[in-house]
Amino acid sequence: NAGVMQNPRHLVRRRGQEARLRCSPMKGHSHVYWYRQLPEEGLKFMVYLQKENIIDESGMPKERFSAEFPKEGPSILRIQQVVRGDSAAYFCASSPPTNEQYFGPGTRLTVT
Amino acid sequence: GDSVTQMEGPVTLSEEACLTINCTYTATGYPSLFWYVQYPGEGLQLLLKATKADDKGSNKGFEATYRKETTSFHLEKGSVQVSDSAVYFCALSDRTNAGKSTFGDGTTLTVKP
Repeated sequence: NAGVMQNPRHLVRRRGQEARLRCSPMKGHSHVYWYRQLPEEGLKFMVYLQKENIIDESGMPKERFSAEFPKEGPSILRIQQVVRGDSAAYFCASSPPTNEQYFGPGTRLTVT
Repeated sequence: GDSVTQMEGPVTLSEEACLTINCTYTATGYPSLFWYVQYPGEGLQLLLKATKADDKGSNKGFEATYRKETTSFHLEKGSVQVSDSAVYFCALSDRTNAGKSTFGDGTTLTVKP
């Protein structure tokens, strides 16, 4: 059973461009979570999704950030018009109906 | 809201020394508690967990006991190795809060030979 997959592992964008981060949950997992880790800091919750539904987006910045988890395909975290402060590692986790989460390797976004 | 406070680092130990990383939490519901480990350049790996009071999680020589009376989940290991050098995160997940996890800020452990 493959683990949580994220791609790309590293992403470089210039200021003002869009960043798209993908997350494929573990097989059989219907819950997806996105977290952001700024340098030298812990993980901060961003959004919790189930298939075709956003359950909790209380950690998402109000502008430029959006997330989806379609019926088919991976979950996408989209950042529009990136700024330098968006540079961070973005981790996806998935879980079954129990609350143990399994993390992907992360996408490291660098905004130049 | 939920919160996790863990011992500030960095922590530097010699090989075979004893390790304790303190973690305390606040939660409105009945959380499960976790320790995750992050090696350089990698994602988080679940190290151990406990789902109810007095449970002890253990893995790879690490242990932590869910103490409801002190709202704590301290991580311990009797004899650390150089390969244990990593960042350790304490976390809780609360079913009454949509199951999302709340993390501490992490403690960096360096073990010297």
